[in-house]
Amino acid sequence: DIQMTQSPSSLSASVGDRVTITCRASQSISTFLNWYQQKPGTAPKLLIYAASSLQSGVPSRFRGSGSGTDFTLTISSLQPEDFATFYCQQSYSTPTFGQGTRLEIK
Amino acid sequence: QVQLQESGPGLVKPSGTLSLTCAVSGGSISSSNWWSWVRQPPGKGLEWIGEIYHSGSTNYNPSLKSRVTMLVDKSKNQFSLRLNSVTAADTAVYYCARKDFDQGYFGYWGQGTLVTVSP
Repeated sequence: DIQMTQSPSSLSASVGDRVTITCRASQSISTFLNWYQQKPGTAPKLLIYAASSLQSGVPSRFRGSGSGTDFTLTISSLQPEDFATFYCQQSYSTPTFGQGTRLEIK
Repeated sequence: QVQLQESGPGLVKPSGTLSLTCAVSGGSISSSNWWSWVRQPPGKGLEWIGEIYHSGSTNYNPSLKSRVTMLVDKSKNQFSLRLNSVTAADTAVYYCARKDFDQGYFGYWGQGTLVTVSP
């Protein structure tokens, strides 16, 4: 299995801040990397697919980048509704997820 | 708009079999997508369980493969999950989801259903 490691595991930030979450794969996955946002009690929501493609309806303040083994999710200016847990997922082989990054209000 | 809805018992006894069904609406289960199950233990991360194509082809997580069976019912536009020999470690919210055939992302999810394994 391909292991996905996210950092940090948790993060405190304020509305208006720019934040970056990283995801590292245990082997090269090209750009088969997807990002999800999950709020308590709800299903994950797709934000970014193929490393950098914005899912329809997702605000443009979310940006994904990277290829190979190293990827980032950047939120350019945090809004109150953005506080949640974020997961990366590789789709190069048998799907695996990162352990999650919890984004909290400072 | 594609919608998925899980259904099944919320409580299963240890050593028993967990059975869930996912009903698909707003789209055909015979479309070019994989239909997956993903679970999330309370307070923990996401684990892919497996997937099925409308042809009946399946792929399972190697760590669960010996206990998992997935079936598709095209006449009812739904698919199902059976997990046998369950233990407390199988307690989780179970989601069904549609996986894009080419890029492999999960674009549509059900709301999830909590299954507790307990005597």
